Amino acid sequence: EVQLVESGGGLVKPGGSLRLSCAASGFTFSSYSMNWVRQAPGKGLEWVSSISSSSSYIYYADSVKGRFTISRDNAKNSLYLQMNSLRAEDTAVYYCAREKVGADAFDIWGQGTMVTVSS
Amino acid sequence: DIQMTQSPSSLSASVGDRVTITCQASQDISNYLNWYQQKPGKAPKLLIYDASNLETGVPSRFSGSGSGTDFTFTISSLQPEDIATYYCQQYDNLMYTFGQGTKLEIK
Repeated sequence: EVQLVESGGGLVKPGGSLRLSCAASGFTFSSYSMNWVRQAPGKGLEWVSSISSSSSYIYYADSVKGRFTISRDNAKNSLYLQMNSLRAEDTAVYYCAREKVGADAFDIWGQGTMVTVSS
Repeated sequence: DIQMTQSPSSLSASVGDRVTITCQASQDISNYLNWYQQKPGKAPKLLIYDASNLETGVPSRFSGSGSGTDFTFTISSLQPEDIATYYCQQYDNLMYTFGQGTKLEIK
């Protein structure tokens, strides 16, 4: 079964750091670009970052540029998001999502992990 | 940056109704427009990609059309299990942007 499972969420103080992980299974992880998308409580979806299959191309939303770092380990079938200098407005459910081959769309999503930034 | 204007923000319809949601881009995005369904507490699900292509396994009552700046998402005959929030999404200039969402309820 094709699956993405996020972990690493939790409660962190403003200014703190957190590292999210996304474990992939059921497909050839190294062949796909991957993304992080977040959703603040009661709000819509916001794309956060993307990384190409070989990590050659990495992009960020302006809202997280300079604070978040996306990375992947194809040997471990894992995607990561290092989040530094966290702010209250970063509070959200964070989803990892697979990019569909041949289309700029997200065809597989994880269940999400909640990040709460609060003192 | 391209802005996406999705309407309506909420919609109430009866089972069997034809439902239409629109999404307008602030500039030409060709057919780089996708539609997602999100049920409460769940991850989004891809329904339509590249404006009009039905994702594998998605019922044929869902469809999409449009190109350039104006796009339409249609449910031909609303079913109870279609209650969800629907989002459009575009890709341009190395970034993705989602519409504000349309919350669909049963009348």
